[in-house]
Amino acid sequence: GQNIDQPTEMTATEGAIVQINCTYQTSGFNGLFWYQQHAGEAPTFLSYNVLDGLEEKGRFSSFLSRSKGYSYLLLKELQMKDSASYLCAVRDLSSLGDMRFGAGTRLTVKP
Amino acid sequence: GAGVSQSPSNKVTEKGKDVELRCDPISGHTALYWYRQRLGQGLEFLIYFQGNSAPDKSGLPSDRFSAERTGESVSTLTIQRTQQEDSAVYLCASSTRGAGAGWGNTGELFFGEGSRLTVL
Repeated sequence: GQNIDQPTEMTATEGAIVQINCTYQTSGFNGLFWYQQHAGEAPTFLSYNVLDGLEEKGRFSSFLSRSKGYSYLLLKELQMKDSASYLCAVRDLSSLGDMRFGAGTRLTVKP
Repeated sequence: GAGVSQSPSNKVTEKGKDVELRCDPISGHTALYWYRQRLGQGLEFLIYFQGNSAPDKSGLPSDRFSAERTGESVSTLTIQRTQQEDSAVYLCASSTRGAGAGWGNTGELFFGEGSRLTVL
């Protein structure tokens, strides 16, 4: 099985930087994903890491350390529209149902 | 269609009735997933189909839940004798199942808009 842990809620100020952490335990790791989900909408793909290091895409970056079972999503220059839930998901080849999600981190961006 | 299509978008039913939810994945996507999301909570894995392999049903919460998929196309999730605790949004997702399939093919999930089920 998998344990995927992330904080339940975070609050940050518009224009600031926020880091959302995710820790996981899995036996057949094959990639870590971050998704964004606005209230009442479906999740949408943000980033993917399979090798250690930092992946940058505009204002969003995602980091992975496989040895530590740790990832973070970094959001820079926060905007009000970034208020959403951020879901960490892990692909585990040891399980047929191979994509499992954490409970999500609800981020509120304040003026 | 261009994206994952789910129907109905909203379903209100009475306790004890059966419901059927439909998912039409992106053409060519071999993997299909069903998740349940209760209000304010995360995604709860239900079932996973990959090509012609036996589905992974390990997430189905009870024998009232079942799902079928025809080849690599449409899937239906059936809930029999619905209970109020079944009220949730049921999300379907599909992917190319990119593991080992080549660089740049991440196999991320593409989600439908979900079917909101309310059991009275």
